Amino acid sequence: GDSVTQMEGPVTLSEEAFLTINCTYTATGYPSLFWYVQYPGEGLQLLLKATKADDKGSNKGFEATYRKETTSFHLEKGSVQVSDSAVYFCALSPYSGGYQKVTFGIGTKLQVIP
Amino acid sequence: EADIYQTPRYLVIGTGKKITLECSQTMGHDKMYWYQQDPGMELHLIHYSYGVNSTEKGDLSSESTVSRIRTEHFPLTLESARPSHTSQYLCASSGGRGRAYNSPLHFGNGTRLTVT
Repeated sequence: GDSVTQMEGPVTLSEEAFLTINCTYTATGYPSLFWYVQYPGEGLQLLLKATKADDKGSNKGFEATYRKETTSFHLEKGSVQVSDSAVYFCALSPYSGGYQKVTFGIGTKLQVIP
Repeated sequence: EADIYQTPRYLVIGTGKKITLECSQTMGHDKMYWYQQDPGMELHLIHYSYGVNSTEKGDLSSESTVSRIRTEHFPLTLESARPSHTSQYLCASSGGRGRAYNSPLHFGNGTRLTVT
């Protein structure tokens, strides 16, 4: 079945440091890939997505590139801020017509210290 | 701003009580989901619905039940709460015609349930 493997946290960085959170996936066909972010006390919200190979999703300074050859979708940000402290989830949605079943990674907690 | 609403945000209740967690969305989405989020953050799909009068069980076995009588409303019910039901429950929806797999999920802010 489909699966998403995400690096375990917590990840602690100083403000303005470079961030990478690794995500690899296993799926048949060509899934859509997502990063969601969960701030304390809230639900998840979409951060960015990519729907086909070599697509780059970007939002709020975060980027991730859909790499089919390495089945990866790593999240990066050049300079993190304290306000980026949250839990980040990698997810995939398989291509299956009108059916949608999303598989999530375990989540990576990011703490940014001033 | 949230277009999907969950109530209550927090609930502390005794063992054996019946509870209903409410979830409503104003986006007209046909698909709705319930996830259970454990303290380790991992999300587990417990129920989903692809439209009115459609409900299915998810990957994680749950003693809860759901109903979908109206497009916008997807309540979750526990007939007899137990301490093992203590968790955070997240409701989500997705829509968009055609390529459903491209549509992101929209989440509510969750209900944190504690059963004593």
